[in-house]
Amino acid sequence: NAGVTQTPKFQVLKTGQSMTLQCAQDMNHNSMYWYRQDPGMGLRLIYYSASEGTTDKGEVPNGYNVSRLNKREFSLRLESAAPSQTSVYFCATQSADRGFRNEQFFGPGTRLTVL
Amino acid sequence: GQQLNQSPQSMFIQEGEDVSMNCTSSSIFNTWLWYKQDPGEGPVLLIALYKAGELTSNGRLTAQFGITRKDSFLNISASIPSDVGIYFCAGRTSGTYKYIFGTGTRLKVLA
Repeated sequence: NAGVTQTPKFQVLKTGQSMTLQCAQDMNHNSMYWYRQDPGMGLRLIYYSASEGTTDKGEVPNGYNVSRLNKREFSLRLESAAPSQTSVYFCATQSADRGFRNEQFFGPGTRLTVL
Repeated sequence: GQQLNQSPQSMFIQEGEDVSMNCTSSSIFNTWLWYKQDPGEGPVLLIALYKAGELTSNGRLTAQFGITRKDSFLNISASIPSDVGIYFCAGRTSGTYKYIFGTGTRLKVLA
């Protein structure tokens, strides 16, 4: 039972390159989230998917796209990477949707540097 | 974007001391979560709170859901070196899938 997994763990890109960050969960949760973490900024929501087949913008969606491939997988794509996208990216899943108890569980992160 | 006010930002304490930190918000929340993040790792859920006034413990950690529903507190008793890390709070309002995160409290324990 791996929980939430992310690949790759580290990545270096040149400005203008594209890449996709992968996230998979085996927790059978409906909701999945992508955050970025920058020093002193806490966690900021990029996109989320409340359920399979739906995606919505978060606080900082510009420069990113997402795909909810199925219930288990939620990917984040950078079409043309910029140095401002250098960050640590976390995927999270959430138990019970719109229910009384719902908790988010995080993956180990992808550390991205854009040169 | 909206973020929670978490304090203190950082603290150095001696091993064995008790630690207190808090989060405040301008919004009323119906759920508070507390996480710990070790260097190079993802946040790990420590405690979840669902009712105003609720007090919940997890080992040496105790968290409280403030009665105004706009704040939450985390206490660590008898700190040990492995308590080092960043502690985050997160809050959620009713009817939304999204959490808002605090900027973190960086804890350093001096042996």
